[in-house]
Amino acid sequence: ETGVTQTPRHLVMGMTNKKSLKCEQHLGHNAMYWYKQSAKKPLELMFVYNFKEQTENNSVPSRFSPECPNSSHLFLHLHTLQPEDSALYLCASSQDWDSNQPQHFGDGTRLSIL
Amino acid sequence: EDQVTQSPEALRLQEGESSSLNCSYTVSGLRGLFWYRQDPGKGPEFLFTLYSAGEEKEKERLKATLTKKESFLHITAPKPEDSATYLCAVSGGGADGLTFGKGTHLIIQP
Repeated sequence: ETGVTQTPRHLVMGMTNKKSLKCEQHLGHNAMYWYKQSAKKPLELMFVYNFKEQTENNSVPSRFSPECPNSSHLFLHLHTLQPEDSALYLCASSQDWDSNQPQHFGDGTRLSIL
Repeated sequence: EDQVTQSPEALRLQEGESSSLNCSYTVSGLRGLFWYRQDPGKGPEFLFTLYSAGEEKEKERLKATLTKKESFLHITAPKPEDSATYLCAVSGGGADGLTFGKGTHLIIQP
């Protein structure tokens, strides 16, 4: 496989469930990102990892918990989510966190909270 | 705080009708301006990076230009397959990620 792969593509969960989103990149990049995309709003940066170390946490609620075991894999653990968390969650990667590099995105996980 | 404003929000064109999309930005020390294309149900697809005022990039029917305050994405003789949402993003001196605009939803009618 090439590029950035996200699984699952769709997820429906109740407010008390625990689930995880997975992202894998095959580009040899060192930085990985989680974004949230809601209707009528710009993409919102959630977390940044560079060489497996978290460098940014944009005041994201603790019900979202990221994990980066290596430079190729990124997870987003979800628990006790709220209806307003329903959105498209996008993973991206870039060569490193040096921000003049383009980021390459996966196709996202469409999350619906019941 | 970095800010990006895209206009118009939506644009409907006839096939072959050229036009331009605008991206106005405010950033403390521009490191790069990025254009992406996003199709329904897909993630953003990278198109161009522009680094300094006066720079231009071209790809097929698309041409991106940059000034100190805004960028334009010119689309020449568009085809229906150019229909998508076009996103603009900037990288400033203080952030690790990108600051995105809301996008322009472009529809090309046959």
